[in-house]
Amino acid sequence: AQSVAQPEDQVNVAEGNPLTVKCTYSVSGNPYLFWYVQYPNRGLQFLLKYITGDNLVKGSYGFEAEFNKSQTSFHLKKPSALVSDSALYFCAVRDGYNFNKFYFGSGTKLNVKP
Amino acid sequence: DAGVIQSPRHEVTEMGQEVTLRCKPISGHDYLFWYRQTMMRGLELLIYFNNNVPIDDSGMPEDRFSAKMPNASFSTLKIQPSEPRDSAVYFCASSLQGGHTEAFFGQGTRLTVV
Repeated sequence: AQSVAQPEDQVNVAEGNPLTVKCTYSVSGNPYLFWYVQYPNRGLQFLLKYITGDNLVKGSYGFEAEFNKSQTSFHLKKPSALVSDSALYFCAVRDGYNFNKFYFGSGTKLNVKP
Repeated sequence: DAGVIQSPRHEVTEMGQEVTLRCKPISGHDYLFWYRQTMMRGLELLIYFNNNVPIDDSGMPEDRFSAKMPNASFSTLKIQPSEPRDSAVYFCASSLQGGHTEAFFGQGTRLTVV
């Protein structure tokens, strides 16, 4: 079965501290992995993706993610969190057979305290 | 481009009524997706189109749900008759090349069936 897991419903960090939002996946074939952010009453916005190449992917707003094939993980990171980063974050993986279908994780609420 | 545009933003209807949700994708995008977001089930893909043709509707929950894309700039998702359990936020998204590229989401339609 193909799936995405975000083990933490919520992550709390202090402003200025590094943050990590975890994601693990299960998919057939080579994984295509994405991170999206959702602000209240808004649609999802693309942050970054891993298709191939360097395991460390850099994206929007200073976010980056590290692809780890052996651990089947794609954790989202940022060296220094901002209060404005507080939002809901979704990891997504492309279906290994139907290349236009994506499976989304359940989402992780990031709270950055001043 | 104004992005993916959905209407209405909010819809409250009585059980048994027909509901039609509308979406205008980004010009030039060949793929259009309809998602449903609920607390219990997260983000689920309902159906997607490629070049106006429905490709995979396996996520459509019941025959009460139908979707059309009469041209490249317009799609509808219809629920007839509506039921309280259909209450959710419905997102439309479009992408340039399906699974190879990120999706751009609309702001969603919050549907409440009473």
